[in-house]
Amino acid sequence: NAGVTQTPKFQVLKTGQSMTLQCAQDMNHNSMYWYRQDPGMGLRLIYYSASEGTTDKGEVPNGYNVSRLNKREFSLRLESAAPSQTSVYFCASTISGANVLTFGAGSRLTVL
Amino acid sequence: SQKIEQNSEALNIQEGKTATLTCNYTNYSPAYLQWYRQDPGRGPVFLLLIRENEKEKRKERLKVTFDTTLKQSLFHITASQPADSATYLCALDIANSGYALNFGKGTSLLVTP
Repeated sequence: NAGVTQTPKFQVLKTGQSMTLQCAQDMNHNSMYWYRQDPGMGLRLIYYSASEGTTDKGEVPNGYNVSRLNKREFSLRLESAAPSQTSVYFCASTISGANVLTFGAGSRLTVL
Repeated sequence: SQKIEQNSEALNIQEGKTATLTCNYTNYSPAYLQWYRQDPGRGPVFLLLIRENEKEKRKERLKVTFDTTLKQSLFHITASQPADSATYLCALDIANSGYALNFGKGTSLLVTP
């Protein structure tokens, strides 16, 4: 039982480059989330998808786009990376109504 | 605005003692509150959920209290062990956000032998 799988685990980008962080869950969860975690800032919600086919902005959506490809997969795209997007990104999921989140291992992104 | 506050200073305690971590919140009327554990380089892991009508919840050596009048939760680890060393996060639900959670910044706990 893999849970929530994120790829890549590490990535270094140059300013202006684009990339997509992938997230997949095998728990048949309805809702999926992207958070970023920065020192001193804690976890902040970027985007969420309450159910397949829907996406909504969280607290810090600027500079990001998301796609809920199907029930299992929720990707996060940086179209033009900026140094301020250097962070650790976590994907999480939950079955609707339960609110207990299962997190992936994280993707550490550095933008030079 | 909604805020969740956890003690930003690390908590250092000796093995065998009880660790107590605090979570205070403002501008929430939560139906429940959650605690997560995060180890370095890993994602948070769910520990306990306590509902507004529950004063206390226990799971093995863990105990959580929830005081909606004080707007505070306390998280206790009894008979602490070095393996309990981690960062502990308090979380509350974000209204109308598909069950997303707001997290406190966490308190780092170090248990020394």
